[in-house]
Order: sequence, then C-alpha cells, then structure tokens
Amino acid sequence: QVQLQESGPGLVKPSETLSLTCTVSGGSISYYYWSWIRQSPGKGLEWIGYIYYSGSTNYNPSLKSRVTISVDTSKNQFSLKLSSLTAADTAVYYCARLEWLNYYYAMDVWGQGTTVTVSS
Amino acid sequence: EIVMTQFPGTVSVSPGERATLSCRASQRISSNLAWYQQKPGQPPRLLIYGASNRATGIPARFSGGGSGAEYTLTISSLQSEDFAVYYCQQYDDWLWTFGQGTKVEMK
Repeated sequence: QVQLQESGPGLVKPSETLSLTCTVSGGSISYYYWSWIRQSPGKGLEWIGYIYYSGSTNYNPSLKSRVTISVDTSKNQFSLKLSSLTAADTAVYYCARLEWLNYYYAMDVWGQGTTVTVSS
Repeated sequence: EIVMTQFPGTVSVSPGERATLSCRASQRISSNLAWYQQKPGQPPRLLIYGASNRATGIPARFSGGGSGAEYTLTISSLQSEDFAVYYCQQYDDWLWTFGQGTKVEMK
C-alpha cells in the first residue's frame, strides 16, 4: 500500500528557510492531492497547505506569505519550504494524502512525521 | 476561516463504557467533516469521513453523526486501544482546519 516518508533537517536556525521532502512509495503521486500538516509540541494539528500532482496549490492563510509547496512527479516526491523561521515553527511536520472518498476529501495516508526544531 | 471547537477537552471513561465527543464549527460545513485518532508518537489515523462514513478497517464501535455545524464521534464500548486524542477536521473552500482535540483517558 501507499507509504509516505518525510525527510529533512531536524535543526534549523531562526530566520532561515526549512526544506522538507515527502517521498511517496507503493503508489503513484499522480491524480492525488498531497498535504503538509504540522503539530507543535503539546499542541494540536495545523494544516499548512496542499498541492495537486499537476502543481496547483493552496495554503493556510496564516502561513501563506512564508510557504511554498512543490511537486516532482518524476521522483514521486513533493516538498515544503517555509521561510523566515522562528521558534514558533518548531513542530512535528507530517505529509499526508488527500483521498476522494464517497464525495468527501480526507487525509487517509500519513507519514510518520519529522521533528523540526528552530534554534540557534 | 472556519474555527472548529471540540468538547470536552478531556473525557474519562472506563473500558466497556460509551464515549461521545463533540465538535462544533463556527459555520455550517455540509458534512465535510472527518475524525482522526492520534496516539503518542504516532501520526493521526483517519476514522470517519463525510461526518458518518467509517474509513477502511475502522471497527464498527466508532460512529460519526451530526449535520450543519454540530458533529459527534461516538465510541460505543471503549477498548484499551481506544485511549487516545481525537481530532475533528473540516474543509471548506479548499481550506482545512482542525479542532484542538479531545483526550479520551481511562477513568
């Protein structure tokens, strides 16, 4: 079955840009929407944005000015860039698949998550 | 942005008992509502989509209901593996938001 794996640095400095990649295995990235979600320590879940395999995107308005999500179909990967980092961006970052289920979308497959700490 | 409010924040239940979790949206969301279960150190797991449809492999003791702006997740007879945090999630106009979660703990 489809599996997702996040990868990227675990520690980044304030004001720098975070780059994470999600690799899709066991299936194709095509014809699906793919999303990034984060979870700050001890906090709930925050949707960051999504990308369609063709490249169309939509972002959380609260993060929109700092977020870019891109896709590389040849590598079966999609990526997240988050700029101007502060300590508030410290979180576990998840990638997930948006599946169309009986006329509703839901996040049916998730990666295990990668912990990102923003600190000098 | 649609705000999702879950209550209670924590519910204490004994194994075998019923638990009902609530989720209220700041406006109607036309059943574009999902429920997720999250255990420590694990990603969320999809339980319910479209407000009342169980995801693949989810036991029948989990059921979702509601409409408009008010939704519920019921666990009919709690098993030991059900103690976790539960999140509701909605999408509207291609923007997604989560509730803050309800922790189901053992009484």
